[in-house]
Amino acid sequence: QSALTQPASVSGSPGQSITISCTGTSSDVGSYNLVSWYQQHPGKAPKLIIYEDNKRPSGISNRFSGSKSGNTASLTISGLQAEDEADYYCCSYADTLIWFGGGTKLTVL
Amino acid sequence: QVQLVESGGGLVKPGGSLRLSCAASGFTFGDYYMTWIRQAPGKGLEWVSYISSSGSNIYYADSVKGRFTISRDNAKNSLYLQMNSLRAEDTAVYYCVRGSGWLDIWGQGTMVTVSS
Repeated sequence: QSALTQPASVSGSPGQSITISCTGTSSDVGSYNLVSWYQQHPGKAPKLIIYEDNKRPSGISNRFSGSKSGNTASLTISGLQAEDEADYYCCSYADTLIWFGGGTKLTVL
Repeated sequence: QVQLVESGGGLVKPGGSLRLSCAASGFTFGDYYMTWIRQAPGKGLEWVSYISSSGSNIYYADSVKGRFTISRDNAKNSLYLQMNSLRAEDTAVYYCVRGSGWLDIWGQGTMVTVSS
């Protein structure tokens, strides 16, 4: 088993929507409703923005949404804002182990 | 407020040992699984270990198995990570995190540098 696969970078203009994919296997992403997403600004600790595939913690903007199809999970950010520029990581629980994606750098143009 | 504060990081020589601590406050520590996550400089997040709420179930990443030991003291609201036989590739910021299926509260991290 290995880390989940994310694109290294994505970009979008303010107001647009972007989607970040996270591809795993039938042993992790495809087996459990336990994909989570984290936002990390430079020099800061990561912050949970999506859990259990598509749920938002209290206080997280509804511009952030999660979905999953088969072995691929996705994070969509709508109405891009300058403060959304950050690194984003997906994560999946898999039979007592925890796997992260390599991270995606979002640039807001 | 809900808070996790790590301590114990520093510079250590290869083969050396270090013990990280994490002080929890603002929630019932004993009700939650706890996890250590690390991030090497300029790299992504890597799961290290997690421990069940009672301490009876413990899991490690293959990269640290046999060298690191996670433990907790629910009476002291504290989580620990004993790191032995440290290697250069263990150099990272180590985060104490609440949860295991999802990780909802993160500490600020403590830096561990393994270098001669």
